[in-house]
Amino acid sequence: DIVLTQSPGTLSLSPGERATLSCRASQSVSSSYLAWYQQKPGQAPRLLIYGASYRATGIPDRFFGSGSGTDFTLTISRLEPEDFAVYYCQQYGSSPYAFGQGTKLEIK
Amino acid sequence: EVQLVQSGAEVKKPGESLKISCKGSGYSFTSYWIGWVRQMPGKGLEWMGIIYPGDSETRYSPSFQGQVTMSADKSISTAYLQWNSLKASDTAMYYCARVSSGWHYFENWGQGTLVTVSS
Repeated sequence: DIVLTQSPGTLSLSPGERATLSCRASQSVSSSYLAWYQQKPGQAPRLLIYGASYRATGIPDRFFGSGSGTDFTLTISRLEPEDFAVYYCQQYGSSPYAFGQGTKLEIK
Repeated sequence: EVQLVQSGAEVKKPGESLKISCKGSGYSFTSYWIGWVRQMPGKGLEWMGIIYPGDSETRYSPSFQGQVTMSADKSISTAYLQWNSLKASDTAMYYCARVSSGWHYFENWGQGTLVTVSS
């Protein structure tokens, strides 16, 4: 099974700064089948990125996904107050389609 | 508009059975896989498995195989997650989500069902 490890566990930044979140897979993720989700307290997760770099419908262009193979990155170019949340990556190239453990993005 | 509406919160005792539901609307229910995701209190997301309502094909995570049963009733566009004998460790929020056509990421999510198991 593919295991996803996200880093850092917690990222403390200020609005307007750039955030870089990492997701590393224990084996290569086929065809860049990697998604990113955002979850705010008390809410269901929301799809941000699929196919490693494709933004889902309605997602602002300050969210940027990149990477391939075993190393993937979610970059948020200029943090808005509503971006502070927990972010999860998920691989869907090889069942079971596991999630990473999450990165909490908090206001500094 | 695609919508997934889950059944309400449940409070159960250890050993009891439970079936929670997820009703899809705004799309062809039989043409998209539906998945289930567990989130234990204060923890991350765990992929439990997926079911294809068109023919009820299922794929379980090894961690959940034999612990839960996924099913679907396409006549009422509803997917189910079932336990035969609940444990305290089943206490969690459970989300259903629609899988994207052609791939297996979760494109649309239900609001979640909170299951509390306590004696």
